[in-house]
Amino acid sequence: AQSVTQPDIHITVSEGASLELRCNYSYGATPYLFWYVQSPGQGLQLLLKYFSGDTLVQGIKGFEAEFKRSQSSFNLRKPSVHWSDAAEYFCAVGAADSWGKFQFGAGTQVVVTP
Amino acid sequence: DTAVSQTPKYLVTQMGNDKSIKCEQNLGHDTMYWYKQDSKKFLKIMFSYNNKELIINETVPNRFSPKSPDKAHLNLHINSLELGDSAVYFCASSQSNSPLHFGNGTRLTVT
Repeated sequence: AQSVTQPDIHITVSEGASLELRCNYSYGATPYLFWYVQSPGQGLQLLLKYFSGDTLVQGIKGFEAEFKRSQSSFNLRKPSVHWSDAAEYFCAVGAADSWGKFQFGAGTQVVVTP
Repeated sequence: DTAVSQTPKYLVTQMGNDKSIKCEQNLGHDTMYWYKQDSKKFLKIMFSYNNKELIINETVPNRFSPKSPDKAHLNLHINSLELGDSAVYFCASSQSNSPLHFGNGTRLTVT
């Protein structure tokens, strides 16, 4: 069974600074990996996904993530955060044979300070 | 033009009551889901329907019954509500092997 770990529950970052959110997964085959963002009172919005191919994927809002099979990681990065990036971020892993039955990490709350 | 819409946004009710949450998607997706997010923000799938057929049914109490009248709608009916049912319930949809699109959630509070 697949599982996802987000080691950081809470991260505080200054506006304009870089951001990196960690995600480690456990899955036997090639995983399908996702990052979602949840703003307060809102649903989850897809930032980016990795299915196959280039291990560095670009997403919306200036985010990117890198799949590293050797480290079982799929870390999310943004070079320069904006105050509007304050939100909860979720990493998720899926499998082709049970599509939609995603395993979500516990989330990382990002606080952006002036 | 909302892609996945669910109603109501907030639902406050007493223990023992029966309530329903409705979900509709206009993306033409063939699969719809219900996810539960608990107070610690942990997300867990409850059900999944593909073209009105139940394909994922996690270990959810049988007080929870999903109903899909057509592939654009997936409703969730909950009988005999308990305090532990308080959570945010998210509807989502996807086309086969594509990412999930989530609704904005229904915050259920059982008193």
